[in-house]
Amino acid sequence: DTEVTQTPKHLVMGMTNKKSLKCEQHMGHRAMYWYKQKAKKPPELMFVYSYEKLSINESVPSRFSPECPNSSLLNLHLHALQPEDSALYLCASSQAGKWGNTIYFGEGSWLTVV
Amino acid sequence: AQKITQTQPGMFVQEKEAVTLDCTYDTSDQSYGLFWYKQPSSGEMIFLIYQGSYDEQNATEGRYSLNFQKARKSANLVISASQLGDSAMYFCAMREGYNTDKLIFGTGTRLQVFP
Repeated sequence: DTEVTQTPKHLVMGMTNKKSLKCEQHMGHRAMYWYKQKAKKPPELMFVYSYEKLSINESVPSRFSPECPNSSLLNLHLHALQPEDSALYLCASSQAGKWGNTIYFGEGSWLTVV
Repeated sequence: AQKITQTQPGMFVQEKEAVTLDCTYDTSDQSYGLFWYKQPSSGEMIFLIYQGSYDEQNATEGRYSLNFQKARKSANLVISASQLGDSAMYFCAMREGYNTDKLIFGTGTRLQVFP
């Protein structure tokens, strides 16, 4: 069983809605990630938090807003999304920084924008 | 240039047989880690096995082993005694250097196990 928990598993939202995806880990990891994955493609990195500070933003549109309230929690706030934002959103965590640290993923949140 | 290359979009294997999924990588860093993940249709990305660039022995985890050939920059995944539940997408990934939190993925290989 994954130790990275994501909620909700499925989300359908309209283009004018505001919603949030939530992620929690209790492995003591200090790096947390959001990835976006479209069908039949590898995951694409969106954001990285390292020690609760945003360290990487891969030029993600501002309609996606990440938040890291503490070292165990990571949120992704969604507002005014487009249908092309429909995808699987994966949260992940790891020890920070070093090349040998394994990144562990959650089960993902399937997002559909209508 | 692609950092991680998986040249097999799809592979078929019969149950109980072994299968090798190919992965080549490109890096100028001396320190890097190579990872394999399994993604069933449910979406979860499951960590399978890790090989560090300084590890002299090939990594093994149960039925999974990693055939690491550093000079050829290849890190192939070998699954022995395939099971129907092994049918999934498999991704090779790399993490380079220090002070980096980026995991670079290949395009994946879809494995189908048939009875």
